[in-house]
Order: sequence, then C-alpha cells, then structure tokens
Amino acid sequence: KAGVTQTPRYLIKTRGQQVTLSCSPISGHRSVSWYQQTPGQGLQFLFEYFSETQRNKGNFPGRFSGRQFSNSRSEMNVSTLELGDSALYLCASSPTPPGSSGNTIYFGEGSWLTVV
Amino acid sequence: GQQLNQSPQSMFIQEGEDVSMNCTSSSIFNTWLWYKQDPGEGPVLLIALYKAGELTSNGRLTAQFGITRKDSFLNISASIPSDVGIYFCAGLMNRDDKIIFGKGTRLHILP
Repeated sequence: KAGVTQTPRYLIKTRGQQVTLSCSPISGHRSVSWYQQTPGQGLQFLFEYFSETQRNKGNFPGRFSGRQFSNSRSEMNVSTLELGDSALYLCASSPTPPGSSGNTIYFGEGSWLTVV
Repeated sequence: GQQLNQSPQSMFIQEGEDVSMNCTSSSIFNTWLWYKQDPGEGPVLLIALYKAGELTSNGRLTAQFGITRKDSFLNISASIPSDVGIYFCAGLMNRDDKIIFGKGTRLHILP
C-alpha cells in the first residue's frame, strides 16, 4: 500500500509569489491534514479536510488555503509568499473522520519550501 | 489553549543505554501517538495508544498511555545509532477533533 505522497519535494520561490503543494493520501483514507514545520515553532496545524469539507483550521493567515477533491487528494496554496513561510509542509492522512476514537495519522515526506 | 509539554528537549546518551521521554498536558486525550522524524523526512508513526493504562511495544520501543489520560511515556531500550532523530508525541482529543503535538525530543548518541 503506497504511503502519503507529496509533491513537489523541494521548491524555491521568491517573495510575493504563490505556491501550490499537492498531497495524495493513503488509498482509502478520506481525512487529510496539513502542517507547517519550522525549527523554531515545531509542528503547526494548518487545516484538516474530510470528504471535501474543511473540518478544522489552525491559526494561520488567510494567505494559507487548501482544498480536497472527491478522490481525497488535497492541495494547499500559499499566496503572497513571505520569507517566514520557508518551512517543511507536511501532509498527513487518516482512515477515519477527525476526532474518531482509534484514529491514527500517517505523514508524507513533506515539501520543502524556501522563499528568497 | 491546549498544549503538550514534551521532555526532555534533547538527550545525549551512549550507545546501549536506555532512553525515556514523556509528554504531559493539563487536558485529557483519547489517543496518544509517538513519531520519529529523521532529518529531511516526514514523521514516521512508531506506536499508537488508544486506552488509558495501555502499554504497547514495538521492538525495543515501549510506550504507555497514562492512567489519567493526560500523559504518555516512550522508552527505548539498548539504544543504537539509528535511533538518532527527533521523537514527537501527539495527543488526539475526541471532544473538539484536535490533534496536538509536543515540540519534540532530539536524541543524540555519543560515539
């Protein structure tokens, strides 16, 4: 069974540009969540989707957005990039809805974004 | 807001030593997850705990779900060089669908 797949793996953007990151969850998983990881802040929750609906959202500005498609694949978009957006963006999938008992989440390898 | 206090922040040990780390919170969780992250990679799930008091092993790793549901422990026995990395705990709250991560324990093994 393939794991969580994220693309691209590495990318470099300039300030003011926008970026779209893609995530394919484990087959059969309908819940996808996104995290930003930086050395200083650790893992910060961005948002979570289940069945194409955003179920939870973290404390990030509106420049950060996401969506989930009917095949459970998800994308996140960051507009008007800032230097501080440089981070590892991790996608995770889980087989059950958010908050379900017995839930477990599985991470992809992440997309390294550098903003220059 | 809710947060997880993970300790220690970093550890320097000799190969072969046992390792203990923990996560505590003032909030109650219904699931505890432990992950290991190698440099440049995503976190990999090590152990999942679903019941208070549960003790689960995965090879040399053992984790426990605290009786109060507010803490969890991870032990690594007879450490080896490939154990180096960052270990994260995560707690899932049924009530408001949230998952919260600790800030990680960075494990170093001295030559």
